[in-house]
Amino acid sequence: GAVVSQHPSRVICKSGTSVKIECRSLDFQATTMFWYRQFPKQSLMLMATSNEGSKATYEQGVEKDKFLINHASLTLSTLTVTSAHPEDSSFYICSARDRVIETQYFGPGTRLLVL
Amino acid sequence: EDQVTQSPEALRLQEGESSSLNCSYTVSGLRGLFWYRQDPGKGPEFLFTLYSAGEEKEKERLKATLTKKESFLHITAPKPEDSATYLCAVQVRTSGSRLTFGEGTQLTVNP
Repeated sequence: GAVVSQHPSRVICKSGTSVKIECRSLDFQATTMFWYRQFPKQSLMLMATSNEGSKATYEQGVEKDKFLINHASLTLSTLTVTSAHPEDSSFYICSARDRVIETQYFGPGTRLLVL
Repeated sequence: EDQVTQSPEALRLQEGESSSLNCSYTVSGLRGLFWYRQDPGKGPEFLFTLYSAGEEKEKERLKATLTKKESFLHITAPKPEDSATYLCAVQVRTSGSRLTFGEGTQLTVNP
């Protein structure tokens, strides 16, 4: 149980294009999902918290117009990196909070490379 | 400001050599402390949740303990497959369900 999937696992795109990453909780309902960014040899940095059916809450310094988050259902959240630039290249990880046992479970991550 | 500090940054052990990882925290009202394991290029894998001082949880060769200021992850007779980065995170009462992570301890177990 407690499986979270992310798609795609790896994406390469050209500068200026937009990329959408999906995060799904496969066997539980998640009213809250989180998006993190992780640089090499560093810990996870929270970008935003998304609650099903409402607007996401972004951490300080994260551009909400650049990183669009949608949490349309209890099992799906999407992160769209708009007009991607090379500095957006990173490892993006989502997590979903099981509302019954209040634990965050993480997806496998998406490696984004912007050329 | 809530702070989570993990030590050591890196730890090398021989197979079978038991040791402990430390996670010290300074928070305004702990709601829960979480341990995760992260392999390179993958998302963190949930290990334990601890809620109150004195609580202990065990899973195979791992045992997590909690005091009012810190948590320990004890690894008994580790194997090479235990090599990973171990992350500690806290959930604070005033921050909803957000987690604040430490920088992690990179564990290497040599055969």
